[in-house]
Amino acid sequence: SQQGEEDPQALSIQEGENATMNCSYKTSINNLQWYRQNSGRGLVHLILIRSNEREKHSGRLRVTLDTSKKSSSLLITASRAADTASYFCATDSVMNTGFQKLVFGTGTRLLVSP
Amino acid sequence: GAVVSQHPSRVICKSGTSVKIECRSLDFQATTMFWYRQFPKQSLMLMATSNEGSKATYEQGVEKDKFLINHASLTLSTLTVTSAHPEDSSFYICSARFKRGTGELFFGEGSRLTVL
Repeated sequence: SQQGEEDPQALSIQEGENATMNCSYKTSINNLQWYRQNSGRGLVHLILIRSNEREKHSGRLRVTLDTSKKSSSLLITASRAADTASYFCATDSVMNTGFQKLVFGTGTRLLVSP
Repeated sequence: GAVVSQHPSRVICKSGTSVKIECRSLDFQATTMFWYRQFPKQSLMLMATSNEGSKATYEQGVEKDKFLINHASLTLSTLTVTSAHPEDSSFYICSARFKRGTGELFFGEGSRLTVL
């Protein structure tokens, strides 16, 4: 399977703490993206990091990418109860067919308690 | 931001019937739409990639005669689950990519299918 793996599968923290999620993947990529999903809803794009970038910030989010290790991490600083959701990494690659596709990791369920 | 509308959000049908799910990009042209399936507390599994004006590309293990995908215009793709059975019950999510975008996907709100 091309699907990436994330760890931890579940993470429970208190408000104000930082949350770190890790993603490992198998294929070469154009970029790696992180998405958030509230229960029973669609996904919302958080941040995209290109294969030639190593770190990117967006508000309280910090993403790193290590293409040599085929891994990425998402750090959410000063977490809030509203950050409770599932977080997925997704790798964007060009297939043999020439089409691009996005393959999602297994996801991390984050619970932030007040 | 870009909006993708997916309809219906919930559908219940009897075994053996067919169900159509629509995915529309409301304010942008989407050259590519993706259909995913998600089981409870699991990740999204890509079913097929739909490019406007051409046949959909199905992932390994996905029956193309079972899950018919049509991408007739730059703003509309449909997924038809034919002769649905209880094992087809799932959360189906579509997403769309800008014609000249950065690569991010915009997701519909998903359609929960329950087959009795």
